[in-house]
Amino acid sequence: QSVLTQPPSVSGAPGQRVTISCTGSNSNIGAGFDVHWYQQLPGTAPKVLIYGNNNRPSGVPDRFSGSKSGTSASLAITGLQAEDEAHYYCQSYDNSLSGPWVFGGGTKLTVL
Amino acid sequence: EVQLVESGGGLVQPGGSLKLSCAASGFIFSGSAVHWVRQVAGKGLEWVGRIRSKAKNYATVYDPSVKGRFTISRDDSKNTTYLQMNSLKIEDTAIYYCTGVAVIGAYSWFDPWGQGALVIVSS
Repeated sequence: QSVLTQPPSVSGAPGQRVTISCTGSNSNIGAGFDVHWYQQLPGTAPKVLIYGNNNRPSGVPDRFSGSKSGTSASLAITGLQAEDEAHYYCQSYDNSLSGPWVFGGGTKLTVL
Repeated sequence: EVQLVESGGGLVQPGGSLKLSCAASGFIFSGSAVHWVRQVAGKGLEWVGRIRSKAKNYATVYDPSVKGRFTISRDDSKNTTYLQMNSLKIEDTAIYYCTGVAVIGAYSWFDPWGQGALVIVSS
C-alpha cells in the first residue's frame, strides 16, 4: 500500500478537464514537503510533469498544472488530448519510518 | 544530452545476487546524488535507495524492504552507479530505474531517468 493515495483511474473526453488527487498525511505533504508529478507513457520511464507543487519544466504544456493544500495535492489537465493517456504518479518526501522518498500508487488516465 | 543507461538486468534464482550498473553522461555526475526506483509489472513506482556525492561522503539510505540486502555504490571516474542486490526474493522482480536529481532553487526531483533494467527472480 502506497504512502500517498491516488485514485486508480480517471477518464475524460478530448477537450475536457480532469483532476488527479494525491492524499498524504502529516508526515509527508502535510509536513510541508513538496509534491512532484510524473507522467509515464506505456513502455517508457517516468518523466517529470510538475515539480515543486506547481512548477512546469520547460517543454511541458500549460494544460498541466499542480496545486497543494494541507495534506493533499492535485494535478489538473485541461483540454485533454489523446496523447495524455498515461499513468500519473505523485511523489513527495516522508519523515516517518517509511523510505524517505515516497510515491503515490499511480493513476491511469484514459482519454475516451 | 543528459542520459542515464542501466545494464546488468536478467534472470536470477531466489537467494541469488545480481549487480546493476547505471552509466551517466551529459551532466556533472560526480556532484549529483543518484537514486534507484523500481516498478513491478503493472504496478506503481517504489523508491529503493540513494547514494550521495563524494562531498556528502557517499551517504546511502535504503527503503526498509531492501535494507541489508541491497547496496548502492558509485565510481565517479566511470560516471557509474551500481546497485548490488543480494538474497534476492521473488518479490524483488521488477524494472529497476536509476534517476538523477534535478535542482532548481529549493526544489529537487527525480530527473533524468534511465530506461530501466528488468530483474526477474524465479526458480
